[in-house]
Amino acid sequence: GENVEQHPSTLSVQEGDSAVIKCTYSDSASNYFPWYKQELGKGPQLIIDIRSNVGEKKDQRIAVTLNKTAKHFSLHITETQPEDSAVYFCAAWANTGNQFYFGTGTSLTVIP
Amino acid sequence: EAQVTQNPRYLITVTGKKLTVTCSQNMNHEYMSWYRQDPGLGLRQIYYSMNVEVTDKGDVPEGYKVSRKEKRNFPLILESPSPNQTSLYFCASSWAETDTQYFGPGTRLTVL
Repeated sequence: GENVEQHPSTLSVQEGDSAVIKCTYSDSASNYFPWYKQELGKGPQLIIDIRSNVGEKKDQRIAVTLNKTAKHFSLHITETQPEDSAVYFCAAWANTGNQFYFGTGTSLTVIP
Repeated sequence: EAQVTQNPRYLITVTGKKLTVTCSQNMNHEYMSWYRQDPGLGLRQIYYSMNVEVTDKGDVPEGYKVSRKEKRNFPLILESPSPNQTSLYFCASSWAETDTQYFGPGTRLTVL
C-alpha cells in the first residue's frame, strides 16, 4: 500500500519567517494530496489541497507544491503568525485501495 | 451549522465490554470515514463508506465494525475492546472521497 513520510516532526520559527513541511509518497497512482491543521483538542481541518494535474496551488499565505516525478509535495507558510502554531498533517489518496494515508505530523511552533 | 458530531467525547471502559461510538453529519455527505490517531503514527483509516450500505476496510480494520444504514450516521463498533485500541478516534465526512473532509471533535477511548 501507500507510504507517506513527513518531515520534520517538529519545527520552530520566528514570527514572520517562513515554514516548510515536506512529504513523500510511494504510490504513483495517488492523485489527491490534502494538508490538515490540527489545533490542540480539535479535529484536523483542511487548509489546502492539490491534485496530481497541478504543480502548485496558493491560498494567501499558504501554498502547496507537488512534484509527481519525485513523488513529493510540500506545504509552505509565509509570514508566520503565532496562530499558525499547530500540528500539520499531509495525506495522500491512493486509488489502489481507495483510502487515505497520512503522514505522522509536524508540530509547528511560531515564536512571537 | 454544518458539522460532524461524535459521542461520547471521552470513554473509559474495560477489556471485552462492547461499545459503540456514534458519528453523525448534517451535510448530506456521501463519504464517511473513521480514523484512529496515535502518537508518532499520525492518523490511520479504520473503515470508510462511499454511501448507504456500502462500507470497506481501511488500513487498520481489525477489531472494529461499522454500519451505514442511514446517510447521516456511521457508528463505530468495538465488539470486544482490547487495550491496544486505546486511542483518539475521529469520524470524518465529505461529498466524495477526494473532496474536503470535515472531521468531528474526536473521541478519546481508554480500554483498561
